[in-house]
Amino acid sequence: NAGVTQTPKFRILKIGQSMTLQCTQDMNHNYMYWYRQDPGMGLKLIYYSVGAGITDKGEVPNGYNVSRSTTEDFPLRLELAAPSQTSVYFCASSATGGTEAFFGQGTRLTVV
Amino acid sequence: DQQVKQNSPSLSVQEGRISILNCDYTNSMFDYFLWYKKYPAEGPTFLISISSIKDKNEDGRFTVFLNKSAKHLSLHIVPSQPGDSAVYFCAATSLNNAGNMLTFGGGTRLMVKP
Repeated sequence: NAGVTQTPKFRILKIGQSMTLQCTQDMNHNYMYWYRQDPGMGLKLIYYSVGAGITDKGEVPNGYNVSRSTTEDFPLRLELAAPSQTSVYFCASSATGGTEAFFGQGTRLTVV
Repeated sequence: DQQVKQNSPSLSVQEGRISILNCDYTNSMFDYFLWYKKYPAEGPTFLISISSIKDKNEDGRFTVFLNKSAKHLSLHIVPSQPGDSAVYFCAATSLNNAGNMLTFGGGTRLMVKP
């Protein structure tokens, strides 16, 4: 019962580099989300998807891109990393709208 | 503009006593509320929820109260245990929201002292 799996757990990037944060879920959930959590703050929604092939922007999408080619996977792409993207990133999934979301363990990203 | 606020960043409680965590919201479209618990280096885990058609929901030691007129909800933990020490996030959504986008508060760090 893996649930939501995120890789990597930690990463240090230099300014201007790019990377992809991986997220996969094995619960056959239609809905998937990417959140970021800055120190002392709540989680802010970056992007979400209501099903394979469908993605939409959340509250803080700038500097990120996503794709949803399968139900299981929802990778988050950072292009041209900036120090402002230093954060902890959480991927989550839920069965339908109105149900609780299950979260991965998070990816701690530092941009220097 | 924060739509969900948790005004107490931290709370310290003695083991066995009641812990009360508070949450306020401003968006009147919110009709479903959730509490998540987060341990260090882990993702948040769902704890308890409440629909706006109710004013109370109970699950073991955890009870959530909703006051719609005041746009306020609270989480009561009785009795508090050291293992309850964690950061608690309040979240809200509108069930009419197609993406079930949760709006989170900033969290309250609960410390339960033995």
